[in-house]
Parts: sequence; C-alpha cells; structure tokens
Amino acid sequence: DADVTQTPRNRITKTGKRIMLECSQTKGHDRMYWYRQDPGLGLRLIYYSFDVKDINKGEISDGYSVSRQAQAKFSLSLESAIPNQTALYFCATSGDRGTVTLINEQFFGPGTRLTVL
Amino acid sequence: GNSVTQMEGPVTLSEEAFLTINCTYTATGYPSLFWYVQYPGEGLQLLLKATKADDKGSNKGFEATYRKETTSFHLEKGSVQVSDSAVYFCALYGSGNTGKLIFGQGTTLQVKP
Repeated sequence: DADVTQTPRNRITKTGKRIMLECSQTKGHDRMYWYRQDPGLGLRLIYYSFDVKDINKGEISDGYSVSRQAQAKFSLSLESAIPNQTALYFCATSGDRGTVTLINEQFFGPGTRLTVL
Repeated sequence: GNSVTQMEGPVTLSEEAFLTINCTYTATGYPSLFWYVQYPGEGLQLLLKATKADDKGSNKGFEATYRKETTSFHLEKGSVQVSDSAVYFCALYGSGNTGKLIFGQGTTLQVKP
C-alpha cells in the first residue's frame, strides 16, 4: 500500500464550487505539506503543518484553506474554486525526528489533478 | 530569499547519450540539495541528495556534486535509458530548519530509442 495517498485523483468542477482534497499518510510523520504544480513553475507551497496544532501559510495560500484533522490526515479546501486554480496538487510528508537529513526528505503522494471550468 | 534555477527543457536525447541538467541555487548558509524525479502520472520521488559542500549524491546511475563555490548541483548520467524519461526537479532545503523545500521549475527529459 502507498505511504501517502490522495483523494480524489482527478476532479473536474465549476467556478464557485467548494472543493476538498484529502491526504492520508501511514509513515507516522508529523510534518505535512500541500503543493501545487503548474507547467514551467515547478512546485509551489500552499500550506504546511508541523503537527496537529501547527499550521502555516506557504507562498501561495490565498484562496485555499487547510485542516489537520489528525496526525495522519491533512485536507486542502478551495472555498470558491476559480479557473486559475486548475493544477496538479501534491501532498507530502516528512519526519521531524532523527538527523537533519531525515527531516529534509519529503515523501509525495501521487497527486490530484483538479480542473476548474 | 532562497531560490533554485534549472535549465529549461525539454531535453531530448538518444538512448545511451550523456545527460547533464544544470541547477544553480541562491541561499544563505549551508542548504541541503536534492534532485527529485517525477515519472508520468506519478508523484515526486527523491532521486539523490547532498547535505554539505563537495558531497556527491548518487542513485540509479545519476550523480550530482554539491559545489558551494559555484552554487551548483548539476545532475549527470553517463548513459540514459528510455525509462529515464521524466521530469527532474532540483530543490533546496535552507539552513535554519524552516521546514520548506524550494523547487526549481523542473526539466523534462525525453529519451528516444
């Protein structure tokens, strides 16, 4: 079974709709992240969470919100989707114990392709 | 702030050709450097990493050396295969434990038989 799972894998929605993307992990990691990928722009960080009570904005958080329901679950919401939020969204995790190298390495889910019409 | 710049793609090579994908960075202190690979339809996977100057990361025939004097971490492979076709991302993790990876824009590699 995959260590980091994302649901749904694909979603088409309309402008103005509320959308939730979900991420679950079985790696036992404390740190979780949401990124979006756009062609030519690489990955950009939306939100990140170092534990259940610690949530931080990334570089492009406007129009998004998150919820860390448990150590293993981190959801991303688009309250009112717009077409320029069409992108590939990735969840990632990393540990916070052990060597610095272990903290640095992030493990990614398979991605959710979101299309907003 | 921290940033990563990769060579633009796509890069198209014939099988068994030599590969170089350039990556340079801007960062304060001593960042850790990574190459991630994204195969079609999949998420990113860590390919290799280096945590201090002059370290060489290697995996699956790929290598990259952390060059602090030139702020570079170029990815190389001596003989590419069709199965290496993917998008490659250079990334850095800044010193100070900010918890954030900074990614380059990605370079698409296409290897033809």
